[in-house]
Amino acid sequence: GNSVTQMEGPVTLSEEAFLTINCTYTATGYPSLFWYVQYPGEGLQLLLKATKADDKGSNKGFEATYRKETTSFHLEKGSVQVSDSAVYFCALGDSSYKLIFGSGTRLLVRP
Amino acid sequence: EAGVAQSPRYKIIEKRQSVAFWCNPISGHATLYWYQQILGQGPKLLIQFQNNGVVDDSQLPKDRFSAERLKGVDSTLKIQPAKLEDSAVYLCASSYGKVLRRGRVSYNEQFFGPGTRLTVL
Repeated sequence: GNSVTQMEGPVTLSEEAFLTINCTYTATGYPSLFWYVQYPGEGLQLLLKATKADDKGSNKGFEATYRKETTSFHLEKGSVQVSDSAVYFCALGDSSYKLIFGSGTRLLVRP
Repeated sequence: EAGVAQSPRYKIIEKRQSVAFWCNPISGHATLYWYQQILGQGPKLLIQFQNNGVVDDSQLPKDRFSAERLKGVDSTLKIQPAKLEDSAVYLCASSYGKVLRRGRVSYNEQFFGPGTRLTVL
């Protein structure tokens, strides 16, 4: 069945450091891929998405590229801020409009 | 535009009691989802509605969980009787539904509510 695996956290970085959170998936067909973010005390928000191979999703300085050959959708940001501290979820959307989430990666950015 | 509304935000009950959660989706959204998010895990889909019909309830523990979406708008999720392992955040999400482009199904963004945190003692 479809599944998503993402790196375990927490990931602790200093402000302005480079961020990578790894995400790989297993799926049949042509899924869409997403990164959702959950800030402390808030609900899940869509951060970015990609709907087909080689698409790059981007938002708020974050980027992720849909790599079909490596079944990956790694999240990157060139310079993180304290305000980026949150839990990040990689998710796969199948043709039935269901989202399958990874287990989440907590990011802590220190000043 | 108002977001997805959920109530209550928090609920504490004893095991074997019953509990109900309510969700009001974004106006015009045909598809509604209930997810269970256990601490330290990603959300897991429990049930998916398209208007007032069930599309997928394969992950819903039907011996104790039930859900309905009367009139295709608001939805309630009920647990009866609750177990300790039901302690989790219950998330409601909604989306416009299916869009077809050039014969290919296109996925619409799901918008999530703030969730209801359930603690079963």
